[in-house]
Amino acid sequence: GAGVSQSPSNKVTEKGKDVELRCDPISGHTALYWYRQSLGQGLEFLIYFQGNSAPDKSGLPSDRFSAERTGGSVSTLTIQRTQQEDSAVYLCASSPRTALGVGYTFGSGTRLTVV
Amino acid sequence: GQQLNQSPQSMFIQEGEDVSMNCTSSSIFNTWLWYKQDPGEGPVLLIALYKAGELTSNGRLTAQFGITRKDSFLNISASIPSDVGIYFCAGRSGGTSYGKLTFGQGTILTVHP
Repeated sequence: GAGVSQSPSNKVTEKGKDVELRCDPISGHTALYWYRQSLGQGLEFLIYFQGNSAPDKSGLPSDRFSAERTGGSVSTLTIQRTQQEDSAVYLCASSPRTALGVGYTFGSGTRLTVV
Repeated sequence: GQQLNQSPQSMFIQEGEDVSMNCTSSSIFNTWLWYKQDPGEGPVLLIALYKAGELTSNGRLTAQFGITRKDSFLNISASIPSDVGIYFCAGRSGGTSYGKLTFGQGTILTVHP
């Protein structure tokens, strides 16, 4: 597609349930990123994938969080045993490369509410 | 880890006024970026800065990459109602974390017509 597509746009889940968030990057973009935006806060880095390299998972807040990127395209962020503090907007972005001068293109995000 | 302090946190201005916001960092960045986020949308890149001292304009927007590489500012001239939104600075460092951005907390801009 023309932009980064995220689904669902909104998700309400009960505490303790698992959730999966999906990201379709721009076709041909080799780098894909997940960020989390809590209310009134900046964007917090979670994980990034670059081509076939091992992902940088240094921002994942706990082992309840994991992400996959299949076939170098679609990515899924999974949160297990959700907690109320996981409530946030989860933003995905992609870029054609991580080289100098190329900013991200962000999706519109998935707003996750844990009740 | 790296932190960016962005100020002010919010601004309420009249249409036509100029706006200035800035970011400071505890560590050096190789690239500074400024993004704008509209409600319900992801951030959109406004300006990218690649060299210390660089001053770059994009229409009514002007941004500078500080000489120390630890700060940047964004100016918006002659504000209009559609400038409303959240503005974020972001820095990119080198090395193995090259693709990762560190974001400021954001400046919420409100423009009164």
